[in-house]
Amino acid sequence: DTGVSQNPRHKITKRGQNVTFRCDPISEHNRLYWYRQTLGQGPEFLTYFQNEAQLEKSRLLSDRFSAERPKGSFSTLEIQRTEQGDSAMYLCASSLGSVNQPQHFGDGTRLSIL
Amino acid sequence: QKEVEQNSGPLSVPEGAIASLNCTYSDRGSQSFFWYRQYSGKSPELIMFIYSNGDKEDGRFTAQLNKASQYVSLLIRDSQPSDSATYLCAVNNFGNEKLTFGTGTRLTIIP
Repeated sequence: DTGVSQNPRHKITKRGQNVTFRCDPISEHNRLYWYRQTLGQGPEFLTYFQNEAQLEKSRLLSDRFSAERPKGSFSTLEIQRTEQGDSAMYLCASSLGSVNQPQHFGDGTRLSIL
Repeated sequence: QKEVEQNSGPLSVPEGAIASLNCTYSDRGSQSFFWYRQYSGKSPELIMFIYSNGDKEDGRFTAQLNKASQYVSLLIRDSQPSDSATYLCAVNNFGNEKLTFGTGTRLTIIP
């Protein structure tokens, strides 16, 4: 069990640029989740996948955000035309496929928009 | 009313004492309850989870759930300086896989 892996750990970019983050879940976990966390707040749910199917998206996920999990293994989260308000920690978590299984988080990708 | 509420703290507890962290939730449909520990600049780390009313113990940690009062708590016995962190309470509903988090309680253990 190597844990949830996220890359990059830090991303600094100029406003208006596109960014893409990658998440590799724990190998036997078929559920994968994306959350966003800003300073002083708890993580907020963005979206989740069961295998390759994206089953739920938060209204926080504007049309500038897109997430994929093409082969049911790793996932990518892309933000197009970044804005200052996108600055946050983007967290990926994974869990087993049974109902209400605990979610285990990766180290996150910290995004800073200049 | 927030879905999951926690006192933001800071909560200061002497080393060796019991730290008590509390969380209330608004949705009576909530089924599963999780406590995560988050060190500054790090990601949340699962500490405990509980599904049924009552107490669940794991080492120095005890989770307590009272669904009638919509209340879940985490007790940390024999508090250590390494327990100093923000503790996040999270809940989800049956069939709804997203976790809803509180804002966290910052705990400081005083040597």
